Amino acid sequence: AQKVTQAQTEISVVEKEDVTLDCVYETRDTTYYLFWYKQPPSGELVFLIRRNSFDEQNEISGRYSWNFQKSTSSFNFTITASQVVDSAVYFCALSASMDSSYKLIFGSGTRLLVRP
Amino acid sequence: GEEVAQTPKHLVRGEGQKAKLYCAPIKGHSYVFWYQQVLKNEFKFLISFQNENVFDETGMPKERFSAKCLPNSPCSLEIQATKLEDSAVYFCASSQSYGYTFGSGTRLTVV
Repeated sequence: AQKVTQAQTEISVVEKEDVTLDCVYETRDTTYYLFWYKQPPSGELVFLIRRNSFDEQNEISGRYSWNFQKSTSSFNFTITASQVVDSAVYFCALSASMDSSYKLIFGSGTRLLVRP
Repeated sequence: GEEVAQTPKHLVRGEGQKAKLYCAPIKGHSYVFWYQQVLKNEFKFLISFQNENVFDETGMPKERFSAKCLPNSPCSLEIQATKLEDSAVYFCASSQSYGYTFGSGTRLTVV
C-alpha cells in the first residue's frame, strides 16, 4: 500500500531561520511521482514541485530546495531564510499507477508558522 | 482555459438537505479526482473518473454520496441528506500525465 508520512505536525520558526519539512513515503511501484503543495490561510492549494522516481537530482528554486533520497524514501523540503509569507500548511503527496490508480496520496501536512 | 473551475465557492445546507457541487476540469485532461478536506487537515480521496467513467471509487461513502462526469458538462458531486460531519472543503482536480491541477474548492457547511 502507499503511504506518505509527515511526522512534523507543526513547526514554529523566527523569520530568516532555515527550516526543513520532512516527508517519508512508501510504495511498491518503481515508477512514481512526488509532490509538494502549499496551502496558505486562504485555503487554495499551491503547487510547488513534482519529482519523478527516476530523477534524484536535488532541486533549488529561489529560497526553496528539495532533497529526494530513494535510499531512505524521503523527499524533504527546505525553506532558506524563511519569511512570514511562508506561513502555511505544507503537504507532501505521492502518485503511482499500480498502487494508487493515479490518485494523489497526501501526507497529513505540516503547519509552518514563521514569526516576525 | 487552464483552470479547474469549482462552483459554488460556498454552500450552506441544513442537515438532511441535498448538496450538489460542480467541477469543470481542464479540457484535454482525462482524469478527475474529488477530495474532501475537513478543517484544513488531511485530504480524503473520494472518487476519480477517467473521462466519463468511474475509475476508482474506493473512498466514496456509498449511502449518501454520488458523482458523475458526463460529456460536455461539468462533473458533479452530490450528497443526499447531508450530515454535520459532511462539513468540509471539497476539492476537485483534473490530471493528465501526472500533472494535477486543483480547483479552489467548495466549502460546504452543514448546519
